[in-house]
Amino acid sequence: EVQLVESGGGLVQPGGSLRLSCSASGFTFSSYAMHWVRQAPGKGLEYVSAISSNGGSTYYADSVKGRFTISRDNSKNTLYLQMSSLRAEDTAVYYCVKDRGYCSSTSCYMDVWGKGTTVTVSS
Amino acid sequence: EIVLTQSPATLSLSPGERATLSCRASQSVSSYLAWYQQKPGQAPRLLIYDASNRATGIPARFSGSGSGTDFTLTISSLEPEDFAVYYCQQRSNFGQGTRLEIK
Repeated sequence: EVQLVESGGGLVQPGGSLRLSCSASGFTFSSYAMHWVRQAPGKGLEYVSAISSNGGSTYYADSVKGRFTISRDNSKNTLYLQMSSLRAEDTAVYYCVKDRGYCSSTSCYMDVWGKGTTVTVSS
Repeated sequence: EIVLTQSPATLSLSPGERATLSCRASQSVSSYLAWYQQKPGQAPRLLIYDASNRATGIPARFSGSGSGTDFTLTISSLEPEDFAVYYCQQRSNFGQGTRLEIK
């Protein structure tokens, strides 16, 4: 069974840092691009970041650029999101998401989602 | 940046009825559009990709159409489990969602 399990969420003060992890199983992790998508309480989906299958290419939404860093360890089947300079508006459920395959500059589709991990930024 | 606008914001229908949800892109995205369903407390689920292709395991009552800037998700006959929020997506852009509620 294809599975994604996020961890690392929690309560952090504004300006603080947090590292999210996503453990993948049931598929060849190193063959797929991966994404992070977040959802603030009661709000819609917001695309955060993406990384290519070999880690050589990354993408960030403008809202997190310069503060968040996506990475992966294909030997450990694990995706990461290092978050720094956190703000109240970063409060959200963060989903780790597998790309369906063939992610390109024109299309990326997300076919497997984790259950999410909650990040709360508050003093 | 491409902006996706979904309409209506809320759609109230009864089980057995047909649902038509719209997604409009601010510029042409060819057929590179997906639809997702999200139920309360759950992660989203991919329904449709490339505008009209059903994802694995998605029932045939779900269909997608459109190209360029105008897209439609149709649910031919609503089942009780279909009442949820639906999002369209193109690359790094999501629409704001349409809530499908029971009338």
